[in-house]
Amino acid sequence: SQQGEEDPQALSIQEGENATMNCSYKTSINNLQWYRQNSGRGLVHLILIRSNEREKHSGRLRVTLDTSKKSSSLLITASRAADTASYFCATVKETSGSRLTFGEGTQLTVNP
Amino acid sequence: GAGVSQSPSNKVTEKGKDVELRCDPISGHTALYWYRQSLGQGLEFLIYFQGNSAPDKSGLPSDRFSAERTGESVSTLTIQRTQQEDSAVYLCASSGATGTRPYNEQFFGPGTRLTVL
Repeated sequence: SQQGEEDPQALSIQEGENATMNCSYKTSINNLQWYRQNSGRGLVHLILIRSNEREKHSGRLRVTLDTSKKSSSLLITASRAADTASYFCATVKETSGSRLTFGEGTQLTVNP
Repeated sequence: GAGVSQSPSNKVTEKGKDVELRCDPISGHTALYWYRQSLGQGLEFLIYFQGNSAPDKSGLPSDRFSAERTGESVSTLTIQRTQQEDSAVYLCASSGATGTRPYNEQFFGPGTRLTVL
């Protein structure tokens, strides 16, 4: 079963705007990762945030983690049409080795 | 190659046939994972290999599914007596995770799209 829940399920914005996607989970985690998927095929790792971290940046990406609320957010600033893709959060639980448990994903559309 | 590769990229088979899917991980990566993605179930973990340890098979949906890995290289996922509900994209990933440092990012292959008629 999917641990993560993401909202919104779909997000449509204009180029240049910021996009924020949220993820919630249920159990204790070691880390949370965000992945991007184009056209329903391979996933590309974007960023990993560990349970003792609160915020992480990578280029135009900013990820926050609130372990007390069991939630994370992914912010993409100054979006581009090429950012159009599905975005998934995935958690690594403390008790299940290193396998990923994925959320349902957010479909982001950036209109030129 | 630089990334994870999978073959075939697409596979169409008839119900009841066996299929074999292949994954070549990134060289030097000791951890290898299989996931599948289907419309109804999202992204699901199937099986995980770490070095010479016994694989974690807890995600395999039935005994028709099995996987092998030769050392720290190629892995094959076999589905016997395929059913229509097995239709999905099967994704392989590898990581540099080790027994003492298990929590690394995973690098995914392009997937094999399996269609069971």
